[in-house]
Amino acid sequence: DVKVTQSSRYLVKRTGEKVFLECVQDMDHENMFWYRQDPGLGLRLIYFSYDVKMKEKGDIPEGYSVSREKKERFSLILESASTNQTSMYLCASTAVQDRYGYTFGSGTRLTVV
Amino acid sequence: AQTVTQSQPEMSVQEAETVTLSCTYDTSENNYYLFWYKQPPSRQMILVIRQEAYKQQNATENRFSVNFQKAAKSFSLKISDSQLGDTAMYFCAMPDRGSTLGRLYFGRGTQLTVWP
Repeated sequence: DVKVTQSSRYLVKRTGEKVFLECVQDMDHENMFWYRQDPGLGLRLIYFSYDVKMKEKGDIPEGYSVSREKKERFSLILESASTNQTSMYLCASTAVQDRYGYTFGSGTRLTVV
Repeated sequence: AQTVTQSQPEMSVQEAETVTLSCTYDTSENNYYLFWYKQPPSRQMILVIRQEAYKQQNATENRFSVNFQKAAKSFSLKISDSQLGDTAMYFCAMPDRGSTLGRLYFGRGTQLTVWP
């Protein structure tokens, strides 16, 4: 069963902490995405990556960075967590030959206190 | 950027009944894809149905079908014979114009509750 695995289902962090959200896929997909989901706002794209070490900003990149050192892993980094980053974070991946065939992870619900 | 609009934040339907979720979008493209995703309480996003704009026939997947009105830029999802397991958040989505990388724009979602 193919998977996108997000390392934490729930996470509580303090304001100012550096936070790492990890995402691993086992499908050899080239493209990986980080979305943020908030009630009433839907899903908004933070960053995406189309290859190792390659990244592109999405619609709301401020306060975030990403890392893709290996094809299967795409990390989202909150350099200094703030309360307005409390949200649900969804990772997804797709293959080049089926770029709309999204496989999503189960999400990480992050609370910053 | 494209816009995808879901005007119904919440809907409810009785089991076995039919419900329609609305979605409108804006694009200047002639050929594109449209999607409906389902997010149950487990939070795992699942593709429900996909429509290609150049196909005149409305897509159907078992109890799920779409009413695609290209001129009106409308893409509604009809769920027939609703089941308790259909309770979920539903998102309409379409690809970024000109993107070869597969990024999607999502609507704000419609929370559907199916009650016994």
